[in-house]
Amino acid sequence: DTAVSQTPKYLVTQMGNDKSIKCEQNLGHDTMYWYKQDSKKFLKIMFSYNNKELIINETVPNRFSPKSPDKAHLNLHINSLELGDSAVYFCASTMNSPNTEAFFGQGTRLTVV
Amino acid sequence: AQSVTQLGSHVSVSEGALVLLRCNYSSSVPPYLFWYVQYPNQGLQLLLKYTTGATLVKGINGFEAEFKKSETSFHLTKPSAHMSDAAEYFCAVSYDQGAQKLVFGQGTRLTINP
Repeated sequence: DTAVSQTPKYLVTQMGNDKSIKCEQNLGHDTMYWYKQDSKKFLKIMFSYNNKELIINETVPNRFSPKSPDKAHLNLHINSLELGDSAVYFCASTMNSPNTEAFFGQGTRLTVV
Repeated sequence: AQSVTQLGSHVSVSEGALVLLRCNYSSSVPPYLFWYVQYPNQGLQLLLKYTTGATLVKGINGFEAEFKKSETSFHLTKPSAHMSDAAEYFCAVSYDQGAQKLVFGQGTRLTINP
């Protein structure tokens, strides 16, 4: 039974399109995140939601819009996709504490052509 | 600002040899430190973490790490490498920004030679 699940696992799309990535966690956590891993494997936080409220919003283009319909779901919508958006996007969830384990999804590999 | 530096983007050891992956951090407050492992085409999995207390932390799969405040280091070791240890390893520091914010190092790819 997958703890943090993301869909789709792979996404290939053309420049200018709009796409969404979905994430769901069944761990009962209050806090969910989106991280981006670039082609050099570098991981950086994008957003964090706590119980549907936006908590962390890093310097990310406003083409990226997270949406949390409830505390078990955090989706990422990307408008007007650019080549530079190609990356692996990871969803994660934690209890609401800075010293707790983060549980990661398997990632969504986005390729913009 | 918090930051993490992993020395060596690629480490290669022989099966049965000692594994040492280096991590240094910069933090203005007492840090929470983590090591995560990423197998190919997978998400990240926690190996171990340091929060408070004992500075030698044991994790899964025989890994351990020692928090050394004076050296601002949190190096990861394993006495005897196994082929299944081949993966990407990430050191991270966490701090509270209303929610956990993990700041990752650039990662170290561990290769195990038979």
